[in-house]
Amino acid sequence: QKEVEQNSGPLSVPEGAIASLNCTYSDRGSQSFFWYRQYSGKSPELIMFIYSNGDKEDGRFTAQLNKASQYVSLLIRDSQPSDSATYLCAVPSAGGSYIPTFGRGTSLIVHP
Amino acid sequence: DAMVIQNPRYQVTQFGKPVTLSCSQTLNHNVMYWYQQKSSQAPKLLFHYYDKDFNNEADTPDNFQSRRPNTSFCFLDIRSPGLGDAAMYLCATSRVAGLAATKVADTQYFGPGTRLTVL
Repeated sequence: QKEVEQNSGPLSVPEGAIASLNCTYSDRGSQSFFWYRQYSGKSPELIMFIYSNGDKEDGRFTAQLNKASQYVSLLIRDSQPSDSATYLCAVPSAGGSYIPTFGRGTSLIVHP
Repeated sequence: DAMVIQNPRYQVTQFGKPVTLSCSQTLNHNVMYWYQQKSSQAPKLLFHYYDKDFNNEADTPDNFQSRRPNTSFCFLDIRSPGLGDAAMYLCATSRVAGLAATKVADTQYFGPGTRLTVL
């Protein structure tokens, strides 16, 4: 059973702080990793993807991947109240499966 | 410009009355997915089409059916909705390339979703 685990939260951070969201996965052969943001009542929106070990930065967002430890994280710098949402981690399986397994998501609250 | 469109955005039906949700895409992606998402839960894959090939998830109830008449359109039919089927239904698309053993999916693009209420 392929698993993607996320702490459901809520994670509460003050405005301007760094929010750190974590995701662990069970399929060691997974090659690609996606982070989606989902506002309440809306559909998921892709914000980051990462394929290689290390860090990938895009604006205030940084994705970090550690395949040896099987975790991927998302850092949000200078957090804003508009970042308050649920963040979903999605991991396609290895071996030719293109179907991603979603974590249940971490709720982030950025308070002024 | 919207790339994955879902209609209607909100659907109210009565217990047992069939409904059809639609999804269309302008991305020319070869894979289309239907997910069910309930509050505070991860999206749950119901089925997907790889080109014309239909792939049903093992735990998807028979009450749920799908049609893909062409590349651009995909429909979700709920034959006899129950109260437990009230949820957000998400359509997504992606481009999948590669040979059978090495298929790799590009990013999934989601439509805005259809919120289904069952009375």
